[in-house]
Amino acid sequence: DTGVSQNPRHKITKRGQNVTFRCDPISEHNRLYWYRQTLGQGPEFLTYFQNEAQLEKSRLLSDRFSAERPKGSFSTLEIQRTEQGDSAMYLCASSFRRGREETQYFGPGTRLLVL
Amino acid sequence: QKEVEQNSGPLSVPEGAIASLNCTYSDRGSQSFFWYRQYSGKSPELIMFIYSNGDKEDGRFTAQLNKASQYVSLLIRDSQPSDSATYLCAVPRGSGNTGKLIFGQGTTLQVKP
Repeated sequence: DTGVSQNPRHKITKRGQNVTFRCDPISEHNRLYWYRQTLGQGPEFLTYFQNEAQLEKSRLLSDRFSAERPKGSFSTLEIQRTEQGDSAMYLCASSFRRGREETQYFGPGTRLLVL
Repeated sequence: QKEVEQNSGPLSVPEGAIASLNCTYSDRGSQSFFWYRQYSGKSPELIMFIYSNGDKEDGRFTAQLNKASQYVSLLIRDSQPSDSATYLCAVPRGSGNTGKLIFGQGTTLQVKP
């Protein structure tokens, strides 16, 4: 499979625990995005990387959230001290920007439930 | 006003009919537009993108863009029950009209056999 992959696919945790998600982008893609989606809503942007540089972070993202993309390959998203409001689908997308053209392809997502 | 707006539906059409899904956007400078399909419990899947005013056709799907009126639509011809899903409209909000996508809330389509 040459698409975007995410692990784990599902995560159940207790409030206050830390969780970490991983995203492996399509190999030639230089950009990697994280989004969050709750029921009945469209995906909401969290942060993105171009190669290993984190270029933008949503103002809605609290300091409990951190993301990395070491060596410009896979990325991890960590949530510290999880809260019930963090329960959502976390989506990763990758793309290759060429001039004014860029198309994002999504991975299967990680569904997080905080009890 | 939301940046990207869609009617949440559900939009119900009989099998074989044309389904018309609409999306309006607030930024007049937007130049590219994406339609994603999302089945329940799954992640968004790219259907089409459109950059220029007018129509773009791909199989049973046609995207229509009207920049003057700031709306983009997706037509699905010969709708099938397998087209039943939520359709998300998205607009890039980065420099050069790339970058992070701003999504509408999605329109749920139900195709009835």
